[in-house]
Amino acid sequence: GAGVSQSPSNKVTEKGKDVELRCDPISGHTALYWYRQSLGQGLEFLIYFQGNSAPDKSGLPSDRFSAERTGGSVSTLTIQRTQQEDSAVYLCASSSGPNNEQFFGPGTRLTVL
Amino acid sequence: EDQVTQSPEALRLQEGESSSLNCSYTVSGLRGLFWYRQDPGKGPEFLFTLYSAGEEKEKERLKATLTKKESFLHITAPKPEDSATYLCAVQAPVQGAQKLVFGQGTRLTINP
Repeated sequence: GAGVSQSPSNKVTEKGKDVELRCDPISGHTALYWYRQSLGQGLEFLIYFQGNSAPDKSGLPSDRFSAERTGGSVSTLTIQRTQQEDSAVYLCASSSGPNNEQFFGPGTRLTVL
Repeated sequence: EDQVTQSPEALRLQEGESSSLNCSYTVSGLRGLFWYRQDPGKGPEFLFTLYSAGEEKEKERLKATLTKKESFLHITAPKPEDSATYLCAVQAPVQGAQKLVFGQGTRLTINP
């Protein structure tokens, strides 16, 4: 596609529910990244994929967070048993190589009530 | 620990009033320094990558420069459409990671 796309654009959920966030990277980009941007905070790295494998999961805040990537393309970030502190904008980025510039999607705004 | 500090937090300028935004960084083994622009409700938009001290890049009214400790984003004769948050990030491989470490951003407002 022309750019990175993410869905849904907005998600409102109740505390304790599970949510799935989807990212479609730019076609042909092998590297994919998830970041989180909380109100008043900078962008926080969550996880990095090279192909379908995740060499770096160091940024995942707890074991309630997981992510997968299939076919070297689409990625899903799953948050189980959501908490209010999970409310944030979740951003996905892709790049043509691990040292190249990252192009961001529009983000998913998650609100946990 | 890799750190990025941007200043000022916010900056208001009149249209045509040139200025500079600062990005100071502490990182072992800099792979690249990146500048992004972010408009409200949107994802960051890539502007520049700088790899080594002394490097400069330009795009329209923006010019980015890099030293061993900081980067500057110079804005010449800005227009209201340049209003946005400007983000600086560094990339440094840590245990094979390729993540970007971002600063808090500078919120720029250009008044007509």
